[in-house]
Amino acid sequence: SQELEQSPQSLIVQEGKNLTINCTSSKTLYGLYWYKQKYGEGLIFLMMLQKGGEEKSHEKITAKLDEKKQQSSLHITASQPSHAGIYLCGADSGGADGLTFGKGTHLIIQP
Amino acid sequence: GAVVSQHPSRVICKSGTSVKIECRSLDFQATTMFWYRQFPKKSLMLMATSNEGSKATYEQGVEKDKFLINHASLTLSTLTVTSAHPEDSSFYICSAKGLAGVLEQFFGPGTRLTVL
Repeated sequence: SQELEQSPQSLIVQEGKNLTINCTSSKTLYGLYWYKQKYGEGLIFLMMLQKGGEEKSHEKITAKLDEKKQQSSLHITASQPSHAGIYLCGADSGGADGLTFGKGTHLIIQP
Repeated sequence: GAVVSQHPSRVICKSGTSVKIECRSLDFQATTMFWYRQFPKKSLMLMATSNEGSKATYEQGVEKDKFLINHASLTLSTLTVTSAHPEDSSFYICSAKGLAGVLEQFFGPGTRLTVL
């Protein structure tokens, strides 16, 4: 079965600083999703990566998928309080199954 | 993007009762719907996969008689937690996948179940 390792588990960053969250798969990914969640609330879709070497950006958030399609990173530039929350990566194996999620990264932004 | 709704958003029930949660795709036909469960401060765990008109496929360790899933139409899937117990209290999220070849899954806003 697909396993996703997400790191770090938690992250405290001063407002304005950059940060990176990593997601590593035990198998080649067919698709990799990044979501943000405030606990107890739904998932906010950030980005989906499918091609090796792909990189996508939205506002101050950039996600990359490596050429081997086993590792992805989420980079936030000039962090803001609104970036605080739980970030989850989810892997699609390409079959008819649901996503496998990493354990999440709890991001706290300090003013 | 496509919209998936869930109802109710929150429910509190007594132990021993059954609770039904609905998941609807509002503007597309969902050939496949997925149900996830999230424990406090934990990630999402896939419970089951349902395809319209066929029986749901449950993940290992998920009791199919406990968590009844019905995918009666291309826009509606229901999850019924039968004879609920306090340990069933959790956050349940559904997602829907539409047309073949479209990779993206669309997630509902989730349902918080509290069993007293």
